[in-house]
Amino acid sequence: NAGVTQTPKFQVLKTGQSMTLQCAQDMNHNSMYWYRQDPGMGLRLIYYSASEGTTDKGEVPNGYNVSRLNKREFSLRLESAAPSQTSVYFCASSGPQGTSSYNSPLHFGNGTRLTVT
Amino acid sequence: AQSVTQPDIHITVSEGASLELRCNYSYGATPYLFWYVQSPGQGLQLLLKYFSGDTLVQGIKGFEAEFKRSQSSFNLRKPSVHWSDAAEYFCAVRGGSNYKLTFGKGTLLTVNP
Repeated sequence: NAGVTQTPKFQVLKTGQSMTLQCAQDMNHNSMYWYRQDPGMGLRLIYYSASEGTTDKGEVPNGYNVSRLNKREFSLRLESAAPSQTSVYFCASSGPQGTSSYNSPLHFGNGTRLTVT
Repeated sequence: AQSVTQPDIHITVSEGASLELRCNYSYGATPYLFWYVQSPGQGLQLLLKYFSGDTLVQGIKGFEAEFKRSQSSFNLRKPSVHWSDAAEYFCAVRGGSNYKLTFGKGTLLTVNP
């Protein structure tokens, strides 16, 4: 059981380049999330998708776009990368099979370490 | 809006000593509360959660946490720390009808031999 899988694990971009971070979960969860983690800042929510077909902004959505491709996959796109987007990005999913529940914990991937020069 | 404060950025304890990590939340009603642990280079792993019932909840790896509504706190405890507990710990809160999980800034735990 793979859980939440993120690709790539590491990436270096130049300012202005674009890229898409991929995330897939195999737990049949309804909700998926993208967080970024920066030293001393904890985890901050970028975007989330409460269910297939819906996406909403989190705390720090500027400079990012997301796509909920299907129930399993939720991608994060940087259209024009900036040094301020250097961070570790985590994808997560939650919700028991077939439903979403507010008390359901998040299951995290192992992260993508992105450096923008 | 919901928020979480972890007052201690870094805590150092000796192996075998007891541990308490503090967490204070802000939310108008009864929140859903979580503690996660992150080892270096890894994702976050759920330690325990609270959403109703007994205010003392047990988690994995011998951790427990107590919900105190009067103090808006959800402190994490462990009676005897092991070297393998060295990691960063995050408290998180989710409001009642809200999919967003808000994290504190984390407490880094160092364990001395």
